[in-house]
Amino acid sequence: ETVMTQSPATLSVSPGERATLSCRASQSVSSSLAWYQQKPGQALRLLIYGASTGATGIPARFSGSGSGTDFTLTISSLQSEDFAVYYCQQYNNWPPTFGQGTKVEIK
Amino acid sequence: EVKLVESGGGLLQPGGSLRLSCAASGFTFSSYAMSWVRQAPGKGLEWVSGISGSGGATYYADSVKGRFTVSRDNSKNTVYLQMDSLRAEDTALYYCAKPRSGWYHWDHWGQGTLVTVSS
Repeated sequence: ETVMTQSPATLSVSPGERATLSCRASQSVSSSLAWYQQKPGQALRLLIYGASTGATGIPARFSGSGSGTDFTLTISSLQSEDFAVYYCQQYNNWPPTFGQGTKVEIK
Repeated sequence: EVKLVESGGGLLQPGGSLRLSCAASGFTFSSYAMSWVRQAPGKGLEWVSGISGSGGATYYADSVKGRFTVSRDNSKNTVYLQMDSLRAEDTALYYCAKPRSGWYHWDHWGQGTLVTVSS
């Protein structure tokens, strides 16, 4: 199966700063890459699909890039509500697989 | 508004069985494949199983194949996960998820139902 590796495990960022999260696939996933946000007690939220397309209702400060094996999620200016865990997920190869997550915490 | 509500979780002993349900609303249920994804306590996400809109095609992760069975009742807008021969490593929060399109990336998730397998 395709192993997804996210880095860093934890990212400490001040509100208003830029956050850059990385995701690497063990084999090419083309552009079939999604990013999700998880907050305690809330349903998972799709942020990005197709590596770079924002899901419905997602603020423009969230952007995704990359293709093949290397991907990035950028949050341009962190808001208080953005402190959460972020997961990447590939859906090009079966079975679909997730990264282990990056926790974005307040610095 | 799309809503997915899971139920049926609980505490049970290894070797036991449980059936999870996911009641869906707010979209044309039969038009979408549905998946179950789980999250062990403090861990990441693992896709478990998927079922086509008609129910005619089902898929499973290797970790549950032969023990879990996914099904759906389109007249009730509900998808099920029958879990047999449960193991401690099946302990997790089980989510059902609706895809944005296709099968395997999801734009709506339920809140999950907790399954704990312990002696």
